Formats: sequence, structure tokens, C-alpha cells
Amino acid sequence: KAGVTQTPRYLIKTRGQQVTLSCSPISGHRSVSWYQQTPGQGLQFLFEYFSETQRNKGNFPGRFSGRQFSNSRSEMNVSTLELGDSALYLCASSLNDRTYNEQFFGPGTRLTVL
Amino acid sequence: AQSVSQHNHHVILSEAASLELGCNYSYGGTVNLFWYVQYPGQHLQLLLKYFSGDPLVKGIKGFEAEFIKSKFSFNLRKPSVQWSDTAEYFCAVKGAGKSTFGDGTTLTVKP
Repeated sequence: KAGVTQTPRYLIKTRGQQVTLSCSPISGHRSVSWYQQTPGQGLQFLFEYFSETQRNKGNFPGRFSGRQFSNSRSEMNVSTLELGDSALYLCASSLNDRTYNEQFFGPGTRLTVL
Repeated sequence: AQSVSQHNHHVILSEAASLELGCNYSYGGTVNLFWYVQYPGQHLQLLLKYFSGDPLVKGIKGFEAEFIKSKFSFNLRKPSVQWSDTAEYFCAVKGAGKSTFGDGTTLTVKP
């Protein structure tokens, strides 16, 4: 089975711009979660989608949004980029929304905001 | 709100030494506990998980962890580390659908 894929792998944007990141989960997985990883804050939960519905949300401003499509692929959007949004954005998929299911992580998208 | 605390930010060991990485969590309900590992240049991957039953769980590559409910702890152990265990280790708790990760512990194993 192919793993979780994320595109693009690297992205450079300037302040004020918006960005869309894409995640394709493992085939058959219906839950997709997004995380922001930074050296100072570690891994922080952004949101989780299951069956095209946002099920859980972390403590991030409304500039961060996402969606999930019927094929379980997910996109994350950040509007009005700030310097502090520079981070590695990780996507993780799991079979369903059962809490005991482990997550399978993608390689991440490295976003640099100048 | 749930939280996870990993006691050590950076651990340096020689090969064959024993390892114990501490993890304490805070959450009032039923939790599922995980340890993930990130080897240099690789994705985060699952080492082991606990959701019910035997509190001593075994994972890949000889790792194990013990869930002690009274201490809200889920410490990771390995009796004899190898150079290839050099990586960053993350403890995570999942409750009410939300996952919370600790800050991670960087393990360096000297050959």
C-alpha cells in the first residue's frame, strides 16, 4: 500500500499570501489529521476530518482551515500568511475515527514565509 | 484539556545501555497512548500503542512501554539500545478524538 503523500514538499511564500496544502491518505483510510511542527512548539494538532466533516479542531486561528473530499483526500488552507506560520505541516491518516487507531504520517510540507 | 509531558529533551547513551524515556499525561477520561519515533530523514512512525488490557505493551524493534494509570505515566523502555535507535521519540495521548503530542525526546546513541 502506498503511504500518505503530501504535496508540495516545499513551499516559499510571502507574508499576506495564502497557501493550500494537499494530503492523500492511505487507501481505505477515512480519517485525516493535520499538525503543525515547529522547533519551539513541537507537534500541534490543527484539525481532523472524517467522512468530509471536521470532527475536531485545535487552538489555531480561523486563518487555518481545511476540507476533506469524498475520496478522503484533504486540503489545508492558510490565509494571510504570517512569519510565524513557517513550519513543517504534517498530515496523518488513520482507518477511521476510533481513538485506538494509530496514525500514519506523511513526509510533510515545509512552508517558509518570508 | 489534555496534555503530555516528556521529561527529557535530549538523552545521550552508549550502545548496549538501557533506555527509559518518561511520559506523563493529563486527561480525565479514557485515553489511548502512543509512542511514535522519527528517524533522521524519515516520517513519524508508530512504535507502540496502548488502549486497553495488559498495561505492558511491546512494540517494534524491542521497545516496550508500561501504562501506570495511578501515575498517569506511559514510559518507554528498551533494555539495550543500538546506534540505529538514534531518533526523536514522541509520546502522544488521544482522547475525545484529539491527539496531543509531547515535545519529543532526542535520543543519541554513541557507537
